[in-house]
Amino acid sequence: SQELEQSPQSLIVQEGKNLTINCTSSKTLYGLYWYKQKYGEGLIFLMMLQKGGEEKSHEKITAKLDEKKQQSSLHITASQPSHAGIYLCGAVMADFNKFYFGSGTKLNVKP
Amino acid sequence: GAVVSQHPSRVICKSGTSVKIECRSLDFQATTMFWYRQFPKKSLMLMATSNEGSKATYEQGVEKDKFLINHASLTLSTLTVTSAHPEDSSFYICSAQGRQGSPLHFGNGTRLTVT
Repeated sequence: SQELEQSPQSLIVQEGKNLTINCTSSKTLYGLYWYKQKYGEGLIFLMMLQKGGEEKSHEKITAKLDEKKQQSSLHITASQPSHAGIYLCGAVMADFNKFYFGSGTKLNVKP
Repeated sequence: GAVVSQHPSRVICKSGTSVKIECRSLDFQATTMFWYRQFPKKSLMLMATSNEGSKATYEQGVEKDKFLINHASLTLSTLTVTSAHPEDSSFYICSAQGRQGSPLHFGNGTRLTVT
């Protein structure tokens, strides 16, 4: 079973457009992480959110964790081809003390 | 910053042989290590959670006799794929965590190909 649901599964956007990826759980999340990956390669850490309502930004990427700590969004402003890849959310599930990944979102940015 | 070293990065082995993958925390003590597997075009699936000095906890559907996990020290965990078959070919990645609630750090993964 998938503890974390990500949407959309894949996304194709024109360069310069904004986009949002969502990560949702039915359980409270403790330590929500966002990673970028090219399939079969290592993970690139983007951001970690812990507190309800927290928001962090790095360059053109902003991540938010809702107050209930059950949903996070990753927003990319003015997308570029270099943003293309697989985006994964991951989180510690409160009642299992395990770290699960979301189903992933494949992003393609057309120049 | 904290670093996790995973070795080897790539391995090719013959069907029926065993392969060991190492995951080391280089500058912190990892009380918990996680092992993941990634199928083609899929996300990372948690295989097992290991705590130093105790038996690993395997996720449903993961064969514990097939994927042996050892976490004998606070800086080293190993995953041994026993009697490997072509269907075991995959990308395996580990992560390490210090105390509970502290950030996780990931290795760069191991690409296993079984011929």
